[in-house]
Amino acid sequence: DAGVIQSPRHEVTEMGQEVTLRCKPISGHDYLFWYRQTMMRGLELLIYFNNNVPIDDSGMPEDRFSAKMPNASFSTLKIQPSEPRDSAVYFCASSLADRKNQPQHFGDGTRLSIL
Amino acid sequence: AQSVTQLDSQVPVFEEAPVELRCNYSSSVSVYLFWYVQYPNQGLQLLLKYLSGSTLVKGINGFEAEFNKSQTSFHLRKPSVHISDTAEYFCAVSSSGGSYIPTFGRGTSLIVHP
Repeated sequence: DAGVIQSPRHEVTEMGQEVTLRCKPISGHDYLFWYRQTMMRGLELLIYFNNNVPIDDSGMPEDRFSAKMPNASFSTLKIQPSEPRDSAVYFCASSLADRKNQPQHFGDGTRLSIL
Repeated sequence: AQSVTQLDSQVPVFEEAPVELRCNYSSSVSVYLFWYVQYPNQGLQLLLKYLSGSTLVKGINGFEAEFNKSQTSFHLRKPSVHISDTAEYFCAVSSSGGSYIPTFGRGTSLIVHP
C-alpha cells in the first residue's frame, strides 16, 4: 500500500534558480497539504487542496511560491526565484474526505538547500 | 480558533525510564486530538488519536495518551522507553466546527539515552 510519495528527496541549487517539488498523494484521498518545516518556525501549512481545488493559500510566504494540482494524483510546489531563506524540509500530506477526525498521511519530505 | 501548546521543546530520558510529553490545547468547540511521531529524515506518522469515547487512548509502540477535558490536555506517556523512541513528537488538534485544518504544536524532541 503506497503512501504519499515526494520527489526529489534532496535538492541543492543556487539562489535564483527555479525549484519544483512533486507529490503523489494516496489514491482516493481528497485533501492534499503542503507544509514547510524549519528549526525556527516549526511546521507551517503553506496551502491545501480539496478535490484538486486550492482552498487556502494564506500560508504561502510570497508570490515566489506557487502550487498546482492538475489531477487527483499529482501536485507541485514551485519556487521561482529561490532564495537561501527558502531552505527547509517541505512535506506533502494527504487525507480522506472532509471528515475532521481523519489523520493526515505525510510523505518523507524534500530537503531543499538554496546556496 | 484553536491552538496547541507543547510545553517542553526537549525531553531527555534514560532508556527503560517512563516518559510523559505534555500537550495542552484551546478550542471553543469539541475537538479531535492526535499525536504524531517524526523519526529522523522521515515524515510525520500517526501515533494515536482521540475522537470520542474512552479518554485513555492506546497507540502504536506502547504509547498511550489521556484526554482531560477539564484541563484541556492530551499528554502522551510511555511506561518504559527504548533508544528507538528517540524522535520528534507532535501534538495536533482538529475542531469539530469551523475549518477542517488541524493545528500542530511546535513539537517535543524526545532523546533517549542508554
